[in-house]
Amino acid sequence: ILNVEQSPQSLHVQEGDSTNFTCSFPSSNFYALHWYRWETAKSPEALFVMTLNGDEKKKGRISATLNTKEGYSYLYIKGSQPEDSATYLCAPGGGAGSYQLTFGKGTKLSVIP
Amino acid sequence: KAGVTQTPRYLIKTRGQQVTLSCSPISGHRSVSWYQQTPGQGLQFLFEYFSETQRNKGNFPGRFSGRQFSNSRSEMNVSTLELGDSALYLCASSLEYEQFFGPGTRLTVL
Repeated sequence: ILNVEQSPQSLHVQEGDSTNFTCSFPSSNFYALHWYRWETAKSPEALFVMTLNGDEKKKGRISATLNTKEGYSYLYIKGSQPEDSATYLCAPGGGAGSYQLTFGKGTKLSVIP
Repeated sequence: KAGVTQTPRYLIKTRGQQVTLSCSPISGHRSVSWYQQTPGQGLQFLFEYFSETQRNKGNFPGRFSGRQFSNSRSEMNVSTLELGDSALYLCASSLEYEQFFGPGTRLTVL
């Protein structure tokens, strides 16, 4: 996987708005797609690991879907809160005896109270 | 369970020097990977170790090297530092495919 694209690069939303981000990848030659949340001065925190085409995962107000056939994954946040402000990273990877991840540049979300 | 720890957290070096960064994985994790983040770039894969063996290496010059010890702790070394090596270096430990990241070491090269 050479190029993982995430859009938009940044996003400002009002508290209570719902939002979604896109991660696109040119090849589905990987074992799993990972989503991370990365807050400033903290470690990236794993949100989801998805392995199957059509996978949908949910954690509270955050959910994600994976479409390996068309090469994209969506992350949804319902009712954004200020504490959701962070950079969201997607990273396909793993397979062929390696756990290597290829990261996109991320989507920086700012939730305005 | 303790998370991934990295030392030091901050480091300032001058061009031409060398530096060693350390990563202690989560207990029981045998795989450690290293990533570099420079301004404007996503996290770039450096290398991956599993049971003391380098399993995979990213597209970085030979000045970047690493190793893993029998207790799974890992070190990475950068020799002959260049200004462009200024970055945040993250390590991640894995039991299976999920990777858990440390807080990173911020290296500044002057």
